[in-house]
Amino acid sequence: GAVVSQHPSRVICKSGTSVKIECRSLDFQATTMFWYRQFPKQSLMLMATSNEGSKATYEQGVEKDKFLINHASLTLSTLTVASAHPEDSSFYICSARSDRGEEKLFFGSGTQLSVL
Amino acid sequence: LAKTTQPISMDSYEGQEVNITCSHNNIATNDYITWYQQFPSQGPRFIIQGYKTKVTNEVASLFIPADRKSSTLSLPRVSLSDTAVYYCLVGDGSGGFKTIFGAGTRLFVKA
Repeated sequence: GAVVSQHPSRVICKSGTSVKIECRSLDFQATTMFWYRQFPKQSLMLMATSNEGSKATYEQGVEKDKFLINHASLTLSTLTVASAHPEDSSFYICSARSDRGEEKLFFGSGTQLSVL
Repeated sequence: LAKTTQPISMDSYEGQEVNITCSHNNIATNDYITWYQQFPSQGPRFIIQGYKTKVTNEVASLFIPADRKSSTLSLPRVSLSDTAVYYCLVGDGSGGFKTIFGAGTRLFVKA
């Protein structure tokens, strides 16, 4: 199946630091990618839909100035957590829809962000 | 978007067949039903997808009744490594395939 690579897998940073997470579709083009966050023992919560060449669409309650999304190419979307604070500590996951006519999503391996 | 409802948790023993049912009463005509598996600190992994009737692959079967208002994921002969959270998702893949995750089912397989 299609492969989505997410990097880094773990980040530990000080409060106030900006953190960038990359999501790449390795063997297919992804015009649309999705970003989620997940707290321990909870389900994935959709944060935003990333569209190649246009602005991301954010879910209600998600601060677009805090979670900056860039989808500059058909294989790369980035999520930047601006001026991260301890409450932003979470597991962040990206996904991409296959362009092969398959009606399914492929997920990255996730990024564990810990803000001290 | 169709909302899904699954049991919060299930217990099983190694070697048993496990069936997890998902309710999706307001599924739309274009919607597919997809199941994912997630281990701790990992992204979800695709298990199986179907539109109607029965689908089988090397790891699971998916049963979908004619009205498509529910679906059942069947895992034959589970092992300890099948302990994970299983999510049922419904979506049509068009218009960006926005996907909302339900709570999922936490399966615990015991020896």
